[in-house]
Amino acid sequence: GQSLEQPSEVTAVEGAIVQINCTYQTSGFYGLSWYQQHDGGAPTFLSYNALDGLEETGRFSSFLSRSDSYGYLLLQELQMKDSASYFCAVRHDYKLSFGAGTTVTVRA
Amino acid sequence: EPEVTQTPSHQVTQMGQEVILRCVPISNHLYFYWYRQILGQKVEFLVSFYNNEISEKSEIFDDQFSVERPDGSNFTLKIRSTKLEDSAMYFCASSEDALYEQYFGPGTRLTVT
Repeated sequence: GQSLEQPSEVTAVEGAIVQINCTYQTSGFYGLSWYQQHDGGAPTFLSYNALDGLEETGRFSSFLSRSDSYGYLLLQELQMKDSASYFCAVRHDYKLSFGAGTTVTVRA
Repeated sequence: EPEVTQTPSHQVTQMGQEVILRCVPISNHLYFYWYRQILGQKVEFLVSFYNNEISEKSEIFDDQFSVERPDGSNFTLKIRSTKLEDSAMYFCASSEDALYEQYFGPGTRLTVT
């Protein structure tokens, strides 16, 4: 089976940096994806790591260490609109397995 | 920008009834998926579909569920004899290839009473 662990909640102020860690145990691992979800809306793709290292996409970066079964999403220069749930998801053949999600609350 | 669309946005049905949830994937995508999210919980994989066949299904996807691509654009999820515990948000997703990003639709909120 698969299991993914990520913190349930994070609170930070505008302009701050937040790191959301994700550890996983799974078979058939192709990579780690990150999705953002606002209030039960559609999960929106943010980032994907297939290889070890850092991927940067604007204010968001994602990191993967396959040997440690660990990744993180880094949110920089936090804005109020970044308040949302963030899910790590393991990419397998034909499906994604999601973590329980981290609720990020950005305060003014 | 192309997007996945789903109808209806909200469906209310009585226990025991059948419902069909509809999705239009992104036009050049070949892989289609259904996920569900019970309120406050994580997104759960139900089924993936490629070349008019189920590629993989979860243990949630039992005989109560079926999927179909009735024409060149629609992808449907049928739930027979709905139960209270089927109440959830159902998301359709599509991708160009099995290992490419999956793009999600806005979801259908199913309420079984």
